[in-house]
Amino acid sequence: QSALTQPASVSGSPGQSITISCTGTSSDVGSCNYVSWYQQQPGKAPKLMIYDVSNRPSGVSHRFSGSKSGNTASLTISGLQAEDEADYYCNSCTVSNTIMFGGGTKLTVL
Amino acid sequence: QVQLQESGPGLVKPSQTLSLTCTVSGGSISNSGYYWSWIRQPAGKGLEWIGRIFDNGNTNYNPSLKSRVTISVDTSKNQFSLELRSVTAADTAVYYCTRGSQTISPWGQGTLVTVSS
Repeated sequence: QSALTQPASVSGSPGQSITISCTGTSSDVGSCNYVSWYQQQPGKAPKLMIYDVSNRPSGVSHRFSGSKSGNTASLTISGLQAEDEADYYCNSCTVSNTIMFGGGTKLTVL
Repeated sequence: QVQLQESGPGLVKPSQTLSLTCTVSGGSISNSGYYWSWIRQPAGKGLEWIGRIFDNGNTNYNPSLKSRVTISVDTSKNQFSLELRSVTAADTAVYYCTRGSQTISPWGQGTLVTVSS
């Protein structure tokens, strides 16, 4: 199974908003309501930021939001802060009862 | 809260079997209603899902690894384990154990496994 498609990198200035896309197929993102997003700081384990497409775990900033349209899920970070600089990964269930991750996106805060 | 800790050899020879154990504390694997997963990350690369086991022992594996992987659970020790057979240098990675598979939290700290002679 191939990885879900994410842009390799995105960037934005403090205070701006950015969106990271996660594109799959009708066999995964398109048919799965369990898309999640993770933030990974260098040398650390990933941290859950969004689950079930658009839900935020307790303690995650309201600046993080998620959505899905068709075969593409999206993570939006508003009011960018320096601490948001990290790698971001999406994951999705599939119709084959497996899990797929996106290739990851490096966010740079300019 | 639930915490996970990976343990096992940090160095495995090519063609041998990589074996890791994840010890869960702060909660029981039994009747938890959760999947428990293994995920790996080669240096500088992305995350790869290896497979998962449900609290009743049912398993699912990444099709690309399925022929070499076994995930098992020992509820008496509150642990679950990973076996990856016939390893090569391409299996060198940080291996994470996690609770959940679609909604993954928490994660273990990860353990680096290097495949080298």
